[in-house]
Amino acid sequence: EVQLVESGGGLVQPGGSLRLSCAASGFTFSSYAMSWVRQAPGKGLEWVSAISGSGGSTYYADSVKGRFTISRDNSKNTLYLQMNSLRAEDTAVYYCAKAPYVWGSYQLDVWGKGTTVTVSS
Amino acid sequence: EIVMTQSPATLSVSPGERATLSCRASQSVSSNLAWYQQKPGQAPRLLIYGASIRATGIPARFSGSGSGTEFTLTISILQSEDFAVYYCQQYNNWPPLTFGGGTKVEIK
Repeated sequence: EVQLVESGGGLVQPGGSLRLSCAASGFTFSSYAMSWVRQAPGKGLEWVSAISGSGGSTYYADSVKGRFTISRDNSKNTLYLQMNSLRAEDTAVYYCAKAPYVWGSYQLDVWGKGTTVTVSS
Repeated sequence: EIVMTQSPATLSVSPGERATLSCRASQSVSSNLAWYQQKPGQAPRLLIYGASIRATGIPARFSGSGSGTEFTLTISILQSEDFAVYYCQQYNNWPPLTFGGGTKVEIK
């Protein structure tokens, strides 16, 4: 069964840092691009970042560029999101999601259950 | 950035009736359009991609249509489990991938 499990969320002060992880199973992890998508409380979905299957290509939303870093460890089947200089507006549920191909712009066909990040003093 | 606009924001429908949801793109996205369903407290689930292709395991009562800038998701006979929020997403031009604001389908 294809599965994505996020972890690492929590409460952090403004200006602080947090690293999210997403453990993948049930598929050949390195063969697929991955994305992070977030959802602020009561709001819609916002794409945050994407990374190619090899990890060699990355994209970011303007709202997080320069503050967040996406990475992956294909030997551990794990996706990461390093979040620095966190702001109140980064408060959201963060989902990792799988694309159907190794890179490119596509739909997101498998989603994890999400991990909650709260930025507050 | 391509802006996706969904209408209506809320759709009140009785079980057994048809629901028609709309999604408009600020510029053409060809057929590179997906639909997702999200229930309270759950992750989104892919329903439709390529504007009209049902994802694996999605019932035939869900259908998508459109191309260019105008798209429609139709739920032919609403079941109790279909009451949820539905999002469209374009993947024609990126970054960024962009989502619509969502349509909540509620029980009438």
